[in-house]
Amino acid sequence: QVQLQQWGAGLLKPSETLSLTCAVNGGSLSPYYWNWIRQPPGRGLVWIGQINQRGGTYYNPSLNSRVTISADTSKNLLSLNLTSVTAADTAVYYCARGPVTPEWYFDLWGRGILVTVSS
Amino acid sequence: QSVLTQPPSASGTPGQRVTISCSGSSSNIGTNYVYWYQQLPGTAPKLLIYKNNQRPSGVPDRFSGFKSGTSASLAISGLRSEDEADYYCAAWDDSLRGMFGGGTKLTVL
Repeated sequence: QVQLQQWGAGLLKPSETLSLTCAVNGGSLSPYYWNWIRQPPGRGLVWIGQINQRGGTYYNPSLNSRVTISADTSKNLLSLNLTSVTAADTAVYYCARGPVTPEWYFDLWGRGILVTVSS
Repeated sequence: QSVLTQPPSASGTPGQRVTISCSGSSSNIGTNYVYWYQQLPGTAPKLLIYKNNQRPSGVPDRFSGFKSGTSASLAISGLRSEDEADYYCAAWDDSLRGMFGGGTKLTVL
């Protein structure tokens, strides 16, 4: 059974860089599309971005200038970097698997990791 | 403020049929598939409906998805207490980004 394990720093100061990793246990990154999604406390879901099988990336325009999503297929690791964080970036961050075709849905989610930005 | 508009809350009694609406535009729901997710308290979302009306394996047929024009809806029949959750619609927008609705909190009375 494929499971997604997430880790990363849970507390950041403003202006620091958020770095999260998602490991695909019991499965492979290929040939799926992979996504990061976040959820501010008590609020709805926000799509951050996606990486495809060829390493191509698509980001939410509202975060585009600060976001980098990468994948290490040899280690089955997915990563998210978000620079210059502010309190508005406080959220639970999820990695999520998309299908093998370029369709935008998520059939497997990590448990999420709460990242708090506070001085 | 979400581009996909959902009612913030909905409710029903056990056994009842409830519907949750999702309103969008020609650039998202009007031209792309709609997806629905269920988020139980304290857990990650779960895919409930994909490609407008398809259920993933394991999702009961009590859950149904519909799409017409620039709107979509999720129907839950035979409501159960375990259906109490937040429900989100989602669709790709032709502005090159994915969008979620604001979510609907379903209460089973």
